[in-house]
Amino acid sequence: GAVVSQHPSRVICKSGTSVKIECRSLDFQATTMFWYRQFPKQSLMLMATSNEGSKATYEQGVEKDKFLINHASLTLSTLTVTSAHPEDSSFYICSAPRIAVGGNEQFFGPGTRLTVL
Amino acid sequence: GQSLEQPSEVTAVEGAIVQINCTYQTSGFYGLSWYQQHDGGAPTFLSYNGLDGLEETGRFSSFLSRSDSYGYLLLQELQMKDSASYFCAVIGRGKLQFGAGTQVVVTP
Repeated sequence: GAVVSQHPSRVICKSGTSVKIECRSLDFQATTMFWYRQFPKQSLMLMATSNEGSKATYEQGVEKDKFLINHASLTLSTLTVTSAHPEDSSFYICSAPRIAVGGNEQFFGPGTRLTVL
Repeated sequence: GQSLEQPSEVTAVEGAIVQINCTYQTSGFYGLSWYQQHDGGAPTFLSYNGLDGLEETGRFSSFLSRSDSYGYLLLQELQMKDSASYFCAVIGRGKLQFGAGTQVVVTP
């Protein structure tokens, strides 16, 4: 099956620093990727849709200047958490859809656990 | 906007059958998916329903009724490893929106 990778898997940083998370589709091209955030014991909340070659589309309430998204190629999207604060500590997950006849499946990366001290 | 409702927790014994219901309200509905997530892990795809009816994949089945805006996931022959969170997710307008999740606890 299709594989999506994320790097890093875990990061601890100081408050005020920026953190970049990479999401790669390894065996298929993804013109669209999605970024989610998940707090403990809660659901996945869609943050933004990353579009190859154009600007990302952010969900209501998500600060685009704080969560910078770049979709540099058909296999790579990056999320940069700028000036991170402790409340940004969360599990960040990316996904890439692969739409096929008779089905529609999202492939998720393994996630990145961000801890901001 | 979109909203999905599913029970917060279900407990059952090994070997039992569990049904997790999901009702949704959304515009531009395309299909309903189900995902499993173990603690600390990423969601993994279980099933997708684009049309009304039942889809069966091994011990797991999923059902959709578009006219009722309702679907369910059926877990049969429960095993301890099935203890996890299960999310229904609506596909619409090119996006996937998740329900709050149902914690399934399987006991011996």
